Amino acid sequence: DGGITQSPKYLFRKEGQNVTLSCEQNLNHDAMYWYRQDPGQGLRLIYYSQIVNDFQKGDIAEGYSVSREKKESFPLTVTSAQKNPTAFYLCASRSRVGETQYFGPGTRLLVL
Amino acid sequence: EDQVTQSPEALRLQEGESSSLNCSYTVSGLRGLFWYRQDPGKGPEFLFTLYSAGEEKEKERLKATLTKKESFLHITAPKPEDSATYLCAVPDGGSNFGNEKLTFGTGTRLTIIP
Repeated sequence: DGGITQSPKYLFRKEGQNVTLSCEQNLNHDAMYWYRQDPGQGLRLIYYSQIVNDFQKGDIAEGYSVSREKKESFPLTVTSAQKNPTAFYLCASRSRVGETQYFGPGTRLLVL
Repeated sequence: EDQVTQSPEALRLQEGESSSLNCSYTVSGLRGLFWYRQDPGKGPEFLFTLYSAGEEKEKERLKATLTKKESFLHITAPKPEDSATYLCAVPDGGSNFGNEKLTFGTGTRLTIIP
């Protein structure tokens, strides 16, 4: 089956700890995106990547980092600099010629 | 600044009671409008893309329409399984065609009561 997978489904972070959220896609999509979703707010873009080894900051990149070493993978690291990390994190991908973004199932990050 | 506003924030309907959700936008040079459905604790599921004013698309009990300033998601004779949050999004007016970012509305939470 083609699709986007995110892991883990739930993640707990301790104070001062960096954690990494996984996003993998087998759709052969060029572009990948990370969003954050908080209650009562729309999805906000953290980082996006149009091609391997290249990525751009979105609207709320502070406290986050990404890498794009493989076309299929776009991991997101939530660093200790992110003071309010509790949220639902969504990964999406888009084919180069199409415009629709398709989403993964999400990871819920909680702070202990 | 590009904005997407959805109304109402929440809507409760009896099963079979038709209604419409609204998505209004301010963006220069609209290059598409997307509708998604999101169930609690899950990622958004793509429903429709509309590209030009006057365009309509249908899927089961849902029909999306687009004007120059807004889009409507009409739901006809809804069933309880249609309960979800419905999101709309538009590409940022300042981004290039092949490099667009999406601006999302905050969604309409739809509840269908049996």
